[in-house]
Amino acid sequence: GDSVTQMEGPVTLSEEAFLTINCTYTATGYPSLFWYVQYPGEGLQLLLKATKADDKGSNKGFEATYRKETTSFHLEKGSVQVSDSAVYFCALSRYSGYALNFGKGTSLLVTP
Amino acid sequence: SAVISQKPSRDICQRGTSLTIQCQVDSQVTMMFWYRQQPGQSLTLIATANQGSEATYESGFVIDKFPISRPNLTFSTLTVSNMSPEDSSIYLCSVETLGTGNTIYFGEGSWLTVV
Repeated sequence: GDSVTQMEGPVTLSEEAFLTINCTYTATGYPSLFWYVQYPGEGLQLLLKATKADDKGSNKGFEATYRKETTSFHLEKGSVQVSDSAVYFCALSRYSGYALNFGKGTSLLVTP
Repeated sequence: SAVISQKPSRDICQRGTSLTIQCQVDSQVTMMFWYRQQPGQSLTLIATANQGSEATYESGFVIDKFPISRPNLTFSTLTVSNMSPEDSSIYLCSVETLGTGNTIYFGEGSWLTVV
């Protein structure tokens, strides 16, 4: 079945450091891929998405590229801020109308 | 995108009682889903809420414990029945809206603590 694997956290970085959170997936066909963010005490917010191979999703300085050949969708940001401290979830959906399949989440703490 | 309102946002419930969570969306949606997030964990799909018919439940979740209604395109309820401390979780409503190409949005969640 479909699955998503994320790097284990927590990840602790200093402000302005470079961020990479690894995400790989297993799925048949061509799923859509997503990153969601959950700030402390809040629900999930869609951060970015990509729907086909080589698509790059971007938002708020975060980027991720859909790599079919490596079945990956790694999240990157060039310079993190304290306000980026949150839990980040990678997810896939096989096609429209299908529910999301989530990774376990990666907790990020950015220190001043 | 869609604005998704969930009620209640938080509640403390007594063991053995039931609580109904409401989810209201400001636009027509194609799909509505209910997820559970246990403390410190990822999200697990409970069921897909189908308009005008019985919900489709995932393995490990049953209608007697989590009855779901969806009377129209923009509203759904999830009831957590006969609660125990193990039901302490965040319950999240999520939707796929028309024309968003397989993008799913989430409400703020209902944070339940069972004592």
